[in-house]
Formats: sequence, C-alpha cells, structure tokens
Amino acid sequence: KQEVTQIPAALSVPEGENLVLNCSFTDSAIYNLQWFRQDPGKGLTSLLLIQSSQREQTSGRLNASLDKSSGRSTLYIAASQPGDSATYLCAVRSRDDKIIFGKGTRLHILP
Amino acid sequence: GAGVSQSPSNKVTEKGKDVELRCDPISGHTALYWYRQSLGQGLEFLIYFQGNSAPDKSGLPSDRFSAERTGGSVSTLTIQRTQQEDSAVYLCASSFYGFSPGLAGGPRGETQYFGPGTRLLVL
Repeated sequence: KQEVTQIPAALSVPEGENLVLNCSFTDSAIYNLQWFRQDPGKGLTSLLLIQSSQREQTSGRLNASLDKSSGRSTLYIAASQPGDSATYLCAVRSRDDKIIFGKGTRLHILP
Repeated sequence: GAGVSQSPSNKVTEKGKDVELRCDPISGHTALYWYRQSLGQGLEFLIYFQGNSAPDKSGLPSDRFSAERTGGSVSTLTIQRTQQEDSAVYLCASSFYGFSPGLAGGPRGETQYFGPGTRLLVL
C-alpha cells in the first residue's frame, strides 16, 4: 500500500531564506507526483507536476525534484517571501490509479 | 467558468439526513476527482471520473456515499444517512486529461485544479 510522508510537519524560516520541503513515498511505481499549496480555509493550488520519467520541474522560485528509485521528492523554494506561508502538500498517483496525499508541511515565513 | 466551483460552501446537517454536494469543473476538463479532508488529517482520495464513468469506486468510505457525473460536466457527491464522522471538507478537482497514460497530455494535461471545497458539519 502506497504511503506518502512529508517532513517536517511544520517549518518557520526568516524571509529571504531558501528552503527545502521533503516528500517520500513507499512504492516507486508511480505515474506522477504533484505539489500543491493550501491556504487556510481555501482549496488547493497546483504548483508543479512531475511525470515519473522526469527528474525535475521549475516554476519561478519553485523547483521540484523527483528521485523515483529512492521514493523521494523535494520542493525547493528560493528567496522565501511572507506570501509563501501556506501548507504544502505532495501527492503521488500510483499505478493502481489512486492518488495518495501526504499530510503536508505547514510553512511560516517570518517577515 | 474560470475555475472549479463547489456548492454549497458550507453545510450543517443533522445526523441521519442525506446531503448532496455539487462540483462544477473547469469547462473542457474531462476528468473530475473528489477528495475529503478531515480535521487534522491529510487528503483522502474518494473517486475519479473520466467523462461520465467512474472506473474505480473503492475509495468511497462506505455504501452511504455515491457520486455521479452527467453530461461530462457537473458532478454530485451524495452522502446518505450522514454520520458525525462524515464531517470534513469535501474537495473537488478537475484536469484536462485523467488517468490515461497513453494520451499526450503531459504535465499540463494531468494537472489538477481544485475547487474551494464544501465544509460539511454533521451534528
């Protein structure tokens, strides 16, 4: 059974710092992995989607990497800003067509 | 519309009553997904529609839950005889393509866009 874990559960960093969020999954047989952000009381916003054949995707200050063999993905946020404060979720689409989410990392950027 | 919309935004009901949640996906999106997020828990995948059909309903928590999609657009998630443990935020998402590895949708085609959710409270 696929399990997705995100560490740390919460993170506070000063504005301007670069940071890395981690996501690990137990079954490497995935179609893709997607990173989302969730703002309090709101729905999810898709950030980046990495296909199983890809190693990374970039969008602005965000870079997501995927190492399928080791069951890991990282989300790198450069030059963090207070507006980046949110909960970040990763989700994998497994070969049995299920989408499994991690519990998220709650990020707080200190002004 | 411009994004995924869900209604109602909030629903308070009494235990034992039926509720119906609605999702309007982004126009042209063929795939539609339902999730729920209980307090303090991660997102739980419920069901996925490709067009009007749902290939796998095993993610639905119990037989009190059902979902349908008509016209390849609007979907409704129905919970019969609601229980207090059904209290959660129910999220809907859509994507241009769904679970079809052979299609050339690529990352853009499979990216899911989420609605704001329906917050359900069962008293």
